[in-house]
Amino acid sequence: GAVVSQHPSWVICKSGTSVKIECRSLDFQATTMFWYRQFPKQSLMLMATSNEGSKATYEQGVEKDKFLINHASLTLSTLTVTSAHPEDSSFYICSASVTGAYGYTFGSGTRLTVV
Amino acid sequence: KQEVTQIPAALSVPEGENLVLNCSFTDSAIYNLQWFRQDPGKGLTSLLLIQSSQREQTSGRLNASLDKSSGRSTLYIAASQPGDSATYLCAAYSGAGSYQLTFGKGTKLSVIP
Repeated sequence: GAVVSQHPSWVICKSGTSVKIECRSLDFQATTMFWYRQFPKQSLMLMATSNEGSKATYEQGVEKDKFLINHASLTLSTLTVTSAHPEDSSFYICSASVTGAYGYTFGSGTRLTVV
Repeated sequence: KQEVTQIPAALSVPEGENLVLNCSFTDSAIYNLQWFRQDPGKGLTSLLLIQSSQREQTSGRLNASLDKSSGRSTLYIAASQPGDSATYLCAAYSGAGSYQLTFGKGTKLSVIP
C-alpha cells in the first residue's frame, strides 16, 4: 500500500530559528501533497497544498512567507517553518494520495516545540 | 463550505461492547468519506474509505456506512478491545479537483478492560 514517511517525528528549536520537515512518498509518486496542522484536542486544519514543480496553494490565514513549502520532486515535499516562535509549536502532518478517489495516506506527524 | 461534525466528542465503554461513532457533513456532494484512527502524538491511520457510490465498507470488526442524502456516516466497532482506544476522525473529500479533505474534530474512544 501507499506509504508516506515524515521526518523528523519531533523537534525542539529555539525561537527565531528555522525548522525543515520532510514528507516522502515511499512507493508511489505524489504530484500533490498536503500539509496540516493540529492543535491539542482539535482536528486537522489544512495549511497548504503542495504541487510538484509549482508554487504551493495556501489556505486563508496561513502565512506563505513563514511556512515555506517546496515540492521539487514527485516523492518529496518539505515544509520549512521560518523564524519560529512559540505559537508555532504544534503537530504538523503531511499527506498524499495517488489519486483522491483512493483515499489519503498520512505521515506519522512532526511535533514541533519552539522554546 | 463543507463542515464535518463528530458526536460524541468522547466515549468510554467496557471491553466487549459494540459501539457506534457518528459523523455528519453539511455538503452532501462528497466524493468519498474516510475514517481514520489517531493514537496520541501519532499520525493518522486510514481505517475505511467509502466512495460516494457505496453505502458501506467493512474491515474486520469495523463497519462504516454512508448516507449521502442525510449527510451522515457511522463507524461501527464490534466487540471493542482496549487496543481500540484512540481518537477516531472522519473526513469528507469534496472533490472538485482540489483533493481537499475536511476533518471532524474526532471522537476520543476509551475501552475499559
